[in-house]
Amino acid sequence: SQQGEEDPQALSIQEGENATMNCSYKTSINNLQWYRQNSGRGLVHLILIRSNEREKHSGRLRVTLDTSKKSSSLLITASRAADTASYFCATAGGTSYGKLTFGQGTILTVHP
Amino acid sequence: ETGVTQSPTHLIKTRGQQVTLRCSSQSGHNTVSWYQQALGQGPQFIFQYYREEENGRGNFPPRFSGLQFPNYSSELNVNALELDDSALYLCASSLAGGSSYNEQFFGPGTRLTVL
Repeated sequence: SQQGEEDPQALSIQEGENATMNCSYKTSINNLQWYRQNSGRGLVHLILIRSNEREKHSGRLRVTLDTSKKSSSLLITASRAADTASYFCATAGGTSYGKLTFGQGTILTVHP
Repeated sequence: ETGVTQSPTHLIKTRGQQVTLRCSSQSGHNTVSWYQQALGQGPQFIFQYYREEENGRGNFPPRFSGLQFPNYSSELNVNALELDDSALYLCASSLAGGSSYNEQFFGPGTRLTVL
């Protein structure tokens, strides 16, 4: 079963616009990670935010975490056509071995 | 690229057959986790191997089994294949028993089709 739910399921924007994806989860976590997947291939790790952090930046990426609302958001600024991919949030916690529980993902399409 | 490799890239099997998928972890990583990703879904955790032993398991039947070798590479074996086993199988490597505090780095996956 999936813990997280991503919203929206699909997002279509023009190059240069910002893209915001949201993730909600159900149980307590140690950290939350965002991944990108191109065309059903391997997952690329984007950013990890720990449960005691509220915001984190990496290049054009900004992630927020609200543990009281059990939610996170991923903002991609100044999007590019190359950002077209599926984006997944994954939570880690509740076990000693770092099992990741993924949502169903957001499909982002950036039009040139 | 993460340095995690998987083989083969694609595989076609028939129902009832057995399959072995392989994964080489990123240099310096001692833990391998396996995930199954059905079409249009997020990955689901199968199990994790650390120090050559299963270190945690998801909700998958015993016909899904694995191995980890002294060089930290790993195999996923699936017996008595069913049509629903058709999926992308991903392995991920990490450090220190896959502590909840560490990132997991994924390989490109093996696409398994069961006919």
